[in-house]
Amino acid sequence: DQQVKQNSPSLSVQEGRISILNCDYTNSMFDYFLWYKKYPAEGPTFLISISSIKDKNEDGRFTVFLNKSAKHLSLHIVPSQPGDSAVYFCAAKRPNTGNQFYFGTGTSLTVIP
Amino acid sequence: DGGITQSPKYLFRKEGQNVTLSCEQNLNHDAMYWYRQDPGQGLRLIYYSQIVNDFQKGDIAEGYSVSREKKESFPLTVTSAQKNPTAFYLCASSTKPIAGRQFFGPGTRLTVL
Repeated sequence: DQQVKQNSPSLSVQEGRISILNCDYTNSMFDYFLWYKKYPAEGPTFLISISSIKDKNEDGRFTVFLNKSAKHLSLHIVPSQPGDSAVYFCAAKRPNTGNQFYFGTGTSLTVIP
Repeated sequence: DGGITQSPKYLFRKEGQNVTLSCEQNLNHDAMYWYRQDPGQGLRLIYYSQIVNDFQKGDIAEGYSVSREKKESFPLTVTSAQKNPTAFYLCASSTKPIAGRQFFGPGTRLTVL
């Protein structure tokens, strides 16, 4: 049962434009969300997080938006750069479960120079 | 350099053999995790450990075993009872009790022939 879903397996964007990666979840109890970035042959690296008490968190070119009523999370990258080409995973956790996260299937982003 | 190391990067085993995947971290993190990634699926939690000499099952623990005798090390044994052991295995660690980012190793790709 996939509780966190990334329905777009891939996305291509021109350099300088906005990349929008989407994530949907089914468990309304999730209270903390993260995005990870993964290059080939490497482990995922943390990108940005958001708590359920917020609806937006920004860090440089990266902004995460949370719509709790829609159970939807999105990551915006502006402007997109070729180095952003990677697989992006969203992850979510329930409260009081330690650090146990549920991961989406990933979206492969290609930024075209 | 602080980080997480996993060895080997590629591992081949015959069906019916147990195999142990290594995970070492020098980040002084209390918590460590093992995930499995299969094509088209998100990372799924196998086991996690919040502290030395203690560990809990994740969502797909059947056919796996772990130990946490030292803070730095969290080896995973894939036993012959695991029905579909061929996969990409990722180890991670995090500071406890702060929820949030997990630091991942580069992964081990296990192929059972």
